[in-house]
Amino acid sequence: GAGVSQSPRYKVAKRGQDVALRCDPISGHVSLFWYQQALGQGPEFLTYFQNEAQLDKSGLPSDRFFAERPEGSVSTLKIQRTQQEDSAVYLCASSGIAGVAYNEQFFGPGTRLTVL
Amino acid sequence: DAKTTQPPSMDCAEGRAANLPCNHSTISGNEYVYWYRQIHSQGPQYIIHGLKNNETNEMASLIITEDRKSSTLILPHATLRDTAVYYCMRQRGPMDSNYQLIWGAGTKLIIKP
Repeated sequence: GAGVSQSPRYKVAKRGQDVALRCDPISGHVSLFWYQQALGQGPEFLTYFQNEAQLDKSGLPSDRFFAERPEGSVSTLKIQRTQQEDSAVYLCASSGIAGVAYNEQFFGPGTRLTVL
Repeated sequence: DAKTTQPPSMDCAEGRAANLPCNHSTISGNEYVYWYRQIHSQGPQYIIHGLKNNETNEMASLIITEDRKSSTLILPHATLRDTAVYYCMRQRGPMDSNYQLIWGAGTKLIIKP
């Protein structure tokens, strides 16, 4: 497909379990963003990649959260030792042109993480 | 960073124009105003953006006040499929390396038949 895809769409984890969430951006897009969206709230920025470089990770809530994009395309958000407060929808977005901030961000459908 | 301010919810009759207000009184000169919407259980979708001039595209119009402290998104002929949460945001301009979109809680727009 031509859009941003994310997998899995739903993930249920037991507290303390590690999870990995995958994002496939639009082919050729250099910028990739991860957001966390709690129920009834707007998305909160987590981290930003330009190609394989993680330029901003100021939004990651703790050192249990780690994101990578080793080849500048697919990205993985990993959460270690999940806690109940990590339950949220995790959104991935990509955009096209490096160095141009006013690009439309294309969002994936999100991964809904539930930590029991 | 101050988030934008939007009413939590609005209703609009189908076929009418929906006017969604947004306050961004602390916006900086190089920050754009962006509008996205999120239909239930989907990822957000871009609608429109602007700096200081009014903008129009196939989806909507964006009216920005001269002092840039507020803006209004206009959906000219709302349909039931326009029911969604609409987010008004600031995004730093191209000279800034921080590309964050600063999201608020949005306005839940309900289009009624």
